[in-house]
Amino acid sequence: EIVLTQSPATLSLSPGEGATLSCRASQGISSLLAWYQQKPGQAPRLLIYDASIRATGIPARFSGSGSGTDFTLTISSLEPEDFAVYYCQQRSNWPLTFGGGTKVEIK
Amino acid sequence: QVQLVESGGDVVQSGGSLRLSCEASGFIFSNYGMHWVRQAPDKGLEWVTFIHYDGSNKYYADAVKGRFSISRDNAKNTLYLQMNSLRPEDTGVYYCAKERESDRLFEYWGQGTLVTVSS
Repeated sequence: EIVLTQSPATLSLSPGEGATLSCRASQGISSLLAWYQQKPGQAPRLLIYDASIRATGIPARFSGSGSGTDFTLTISSLEPEDFAVYYCQQRSNWPLTFGGGTKVEIK
Repeated sequence: QVQLVESGGDVVQSGGSLRLSCEASGFIFSNYGMHWVRQAPDKGLEWVTFIHYDGSNKYYADAVKGRFSISRDNAKNTLYLQMNSLRPEDTGVYYCAKERESDRLFEYWGQGTLVTVSS
């Protein structure tokens, strides 16, 4: 099973600041990594897939990068609605796995 | 628009059984693979199981293998999850999710249904 490790666990930032979230895979997964956003009481939403492709309707302030084992989700300038939990997910191998999540909270 | 509506969540005793349903609309259900993903209270996401668009292939997480069974009725646009031998650690919100394009990505999610297993 591929283990995904996200860091940091919590990121405390102010609106307008940039955010950098990390996801590391226990073995190489090429670019087969996705990012999801989840707000309290809501289902997750697909943001980025194949490491860097924005899903339909996702604002340009969200970007992804990386390949192999190290991946990054960047939010260029935080909007109030971006404060949420973010999960990475690999689709390289069964079983599909998620990282433990990074909470982006208001400082 | 795509809609996924889960139902069937309940409180059940350890060792019991439950069947969840997910009614789909707004897309051609028989063309897409479907997943169940769960989330324990205040915890992260855990993939549970997948079924191919025609039911020909199924995959399960080790934690549920042999206890849970995924199925679908394409004529009724409905996905199912039969859960047997339930354990307290199965407690959580269960989401059904539609694949984007046979690519193991979760493009659309339902609102979830809560399963509570008491010991």
